[in-house]
Amino acid sequence: NAGVTQTPKFRVLKTGQSMTLLCAQDMNHEYMYWYRQDPGMGLRLIHYSVGEGTTAKGEVPDGYNVSRLKKQNFLLGLESAAPSQTSVYFCASSPGRKTTYNEQFFGPGTRLTVL
Amino acid sequence: KQEVTQIPAALSVPEGENLVLNCSFTDSAIYNLQWFRQDPGKGLTSLLLIQSSQREQTSGRLNASLDKSSGRSTLYIAASQPGDSATYLCAVCMEYGNKLVFGAGTILRVKS
Repeated sequence: NAGVTQTPKFRVLKTGQSMTLLCAQDMNHEYMYWYRQDPGMGLRLIHYSVGEGTTAKGEVPDGYNVSRLKKQNFLLGLESAAPSQTSVYFCASSPGRKTTYNEQFFGPGTRLTVL
Repeated sequence: KQEVTQIPAALSVPEGENLVLNCSFTDSAIYNLQWFRQDPGKGLTSLLLIQSSQREQTSGRLNASLDKSSGRSTLYIAASQPGDSATYLCAVCMEYGNKLVFGAGTILRVKS
């Protein structure tokens, strides 16, 4: 099993450009999440999904959109990138609340720089 | 609003020492608490998960405790090794909703 994978690993954008980050998991997990990590601030939840076709806002959703068309994939979109979105982005997945342990498993991260 | 604090922010110890990392949270209505390890430039690796009904979990040289009523968790690392050097993150999953709230982490350096 590959676990949680993220594409791309690195990306540099200019202000105003758009891009999509792809997250894939092969553990048949129900829940998926997108976080951002900034220096000294820990991770903050951007958006999450509790099942195929569903999405919900997290703590810092502004400037981002997400889609979960397939259970195994969770896409994070930036429509018009801003320098404040320079960060490391992590995707995670978990089995869901129906299981005893709703443990979250993380991908390796995408380092995004917006100039 | 849930806030998670980790103390100390950084810790440097000689190899072989036992050490304790602290995590505190302001809202006791949690579903579970996870401890993660993060190596520089890497993703997060889950170390231990404690359900809200549990008091502690153990894995090898690691032991995590949870006192939900006082809003505290500790991660105990026995006989530390240079390979334990990393950032350790504490995160609580709220009882309602699915959000993990993270602390800022403790940067651990174990000197050989």
